[in-house]
Amino acid sequence: DGGITQSPKYLFRKEGQNVTLSCEQNLNHDAMYWYRQDPGQGLRLIYYSQIVNDFQKGDIAEGYSVSREKKESFPLTVTSAQKNPTAFYLCASSTPGQASYEQYFGPGTRLTVT
Amino acid sequence: RKEVEQDPGPFNVPEGATVAFNCTYSNSASQSFFWYRQDCRKEPKLLMSVYSSGNEDGRFTAQLNRASQYISLLIRDSKLSDSATYLCVVRPYYGGSQGNLIFGKGTKLSVKP
Repeated sequence: DGGITQSPKYLFRKEGQNVTLSCEQNLNHDAMYWYRQDPGQGLRLIYYSQIVNDFQKGDIAEGYSVSREKKESFPLTVTSAQKNPTAFYLCASSTPGQASYEQYFGPGTRLTVT
Repeated sequence: RKEVEQDPGPFNVPEGATVAFNCTYSNSASQSFFWYRQDCRKEPKLLMSVYSSGNEDGRFTAQLNRASQYISLLIRDSKLSDSATYLCVVRPYYGGSQGNLIFGKGTKLSVKP
């Protein structure tokens, strides 16, 4: 089955530690995205990548880093510089150029930093 | 004006009721519009795209009013399983190119027996 996987589902870390969230897709989509969702808030874009080996900052990139070495994978690192890292992190993918351009989401990772 | 604005609800309706959600957007040149559904503590899932002429998918009808810059979602014959948060999503258009999707905060629907 084609889809987007994120692991782990729940992640707990101590303050001051970097943590990497995994996102893999086998939909053959070119573009991938990372969002953050906080309670009562809309999704906010952290980083996105339209093509392998290229990525751009979204609206709230500070304290995060990404890489896009393979089409299928777009890992997100939450660094110790991120002031409020506890959130629900969602990865998405899409194929730019299609008329609808909709995005499909993975199941998400809930990160708790104490 | 916020880029995408929705009534947060909650909308509490009985089974079988018809319920409508509205969403307004600020970028008049926006090109693409979607409704996503998000269950509690789950990822958003695409419910339907919204086309200029309006479109229907079973009990769900989406409408676009470009002049007033709003989108609506109508759910007929509500089911218990329709209980979720409905996200309005817009793709703006800036200076000749499409922007990234902008998500509303969502409208919560609770369908009661």
